[in-house]
Amino acid sequence: ILNVEQSPQSLHVQEGDSTNFTCSFPSSNFYALHWYRWETAKSPEALFVMTLNGDEKKKGRISATLNTKEGYSYLYIKGSQPEDSATYLCAPSHNQAGTALIFGKGTTLSVSS
Amino acid sequence: DAGVTQSPTHLIKTRGQQVTLRCSPKSGHDTVSWYQQALGQGPQFIFQYYEEEERQRGNFPDRFSGHQFPNYSSELNVNALLLGDSALYLCASSDILAGFDTQYFGPGTRLTVL
Repeated sequence: ILNVEQSPQSLHVQEGDSTNFTCSFPSSNFYALHWYRWETAKSPEALFVMTLNGDEKKKGRISATLNTKEGYSYLYIKGSQPEDSATYLCAPSHNQAGTALIFGKGTTLSVSS
Repeated sequence: DAGVTQSPTHLIKTRGQQVTLRCSPKSGHDTVSWYQQALGQGPQFIFQYYEEEERQRGNFPDRFSGHQFPNYSSELNVNALLLGDSALYLCASSDILAGFDTQYFGPGTRLTVL
């Protein structure tokens, strides 16, 4: 059974703060790593999919890095805004395309104005 | 372009009953996956359907079954409901040939078992 760990479990920051979260996963048979943002009462929204060791992706103020050899990914948010408040989930997939996503419990971010 | 839709939004059942949840995938997607999210947990994979067949299955009992129709929509059936089946059930669709297939999620069906 794959074990995906996310830390911290929750985080509260002030508007304008920068923050980062960690996702740890088994590195064997790694295929891709997905990050999702899940706002309350909405559908989980895909942020990034990363596959190569050293990959870096950026979308606005949010960026992510990937280390497949040691099995971790970081998600960074620069200058947090209240609209960034959500639960951020990571999910690796293994072996090949089309396989199940194994989700961590997520990091819940709350940004105060 | 409609995204992934699920019905119903909420559902209340009693122990021992059976329930059917429905999912329509995003336009152009041929693969549907189902996930269960219990309180305080991340979504857990139930199974995935492609070409009307179960392609992959997670660690869920046989009480959980599914179906995919020729139009790619899907149903999740749960028999002999237990209190522990109370959860948010998420459907996700993807295009299996797209590579690194990002899964697009619906808003979920909240099932409460009393």
